[in-house]
Amino acid sequence: AQSVTQLDSHVSVSEGTPVLLRCNYSSSYSPSLFWYVQHPNKGLQLLLKYTSAATLVKGINGFEAEFKKSETSFHLTKPSAHMSDAAEYFCVRHTYGAAGNKLTFGGGTRVLVKP
Amino acid sequence: NAGVTQTPKFRVLKTGQSMTLLCAQDMNHEYMYWYRQDPGMGLRLIHYSVGEGTTAKGEVPDGYNVSRLKKQNFLLGLESAAPSQTSVYFCASSLRTVTGELFFGEGSRLTVL
Repeated sequence: AQSVTQLDSHVSVSEGTPVLLRCNYSSSYSPSLFWYVQHPNKGLQLLLKYTSAATLVKGINGFEAEFKKSETSFHLTKPSAHMSDAAEYFCVRHTYGAAGNKLTFGGGTRVLVKP
Repeated sequence: NAGVTQTPKFRVLKTGQSMTLLCAQDMNHEYMYWYRQDPGMGLRLIHYSVGEGTTAKGEVPDGYNVSRLKKQNFLLGLESAAPSQTSVYFCASSLRTVTGELFFGEGSRLTVL
C-alpha cells in the first residue's frame, strides 16, 4: 500500500531558528503530496501541496517543501520559527478516484517552539 | 462563514450506548468524509460520501454507520460504543475536483468508558 512516513514524532526548536520536518513516501509513479497543520483543538488546515509541477513548493506562513524523487522525500521547512508555529504537522498522500479526494496520513510531527 | 461544523464537540459514553455525530457544511461540497484521529496514527478514514444518498466504507468502518440524506449533512453513528472507539473524530468536505484540499471541522472528542 502507498504510504507516507514522518520520521520524527516530536520536534523542538527555539523561536527564530529553522524548522525541518521530515517525510518520506513509498515509491509511486506520480505522487501527490500535501502538508497539513493542526493547531491545538482545531481542525486541519492545508499548508501546501505538490502536484508534479515545481519541486519546491511554497505554502502559507512562510513554510515550503521540496519534493525529491531520488530520495522519495517531501520535507517541510521554515527558516525562522515563530511561537504560532507550535502545532502538529501531517504529511499526506493524495489520490483521486472513486472515493473522491482520498488522503493517506503520516503519523504526524508535533512541533514545540521554545521562547 | 461557518465552513464545516461538527456537533457535539465533546461526549462521554458508556460501553454499549449509541450516539450520532452530526457534520454540516455550507460550501455546497459534493464529497464528505469522516476520519478518526488517534495518537501516532494520523487520521484514518472511516466512511465517505461522494454525493447525497451515497456512502462507502473507508479504512476503518467497523462499528460505525453513516448517512447522507441531505447534501450538506453527513451523520456518523455508533450503534454500540466500545472503548476502542475513544478518539477524536473529524469531518471533512471537498469539491468534486482533483484539487485535493479537504476542509475540516474542529473535531469531536468522544470518550467511551
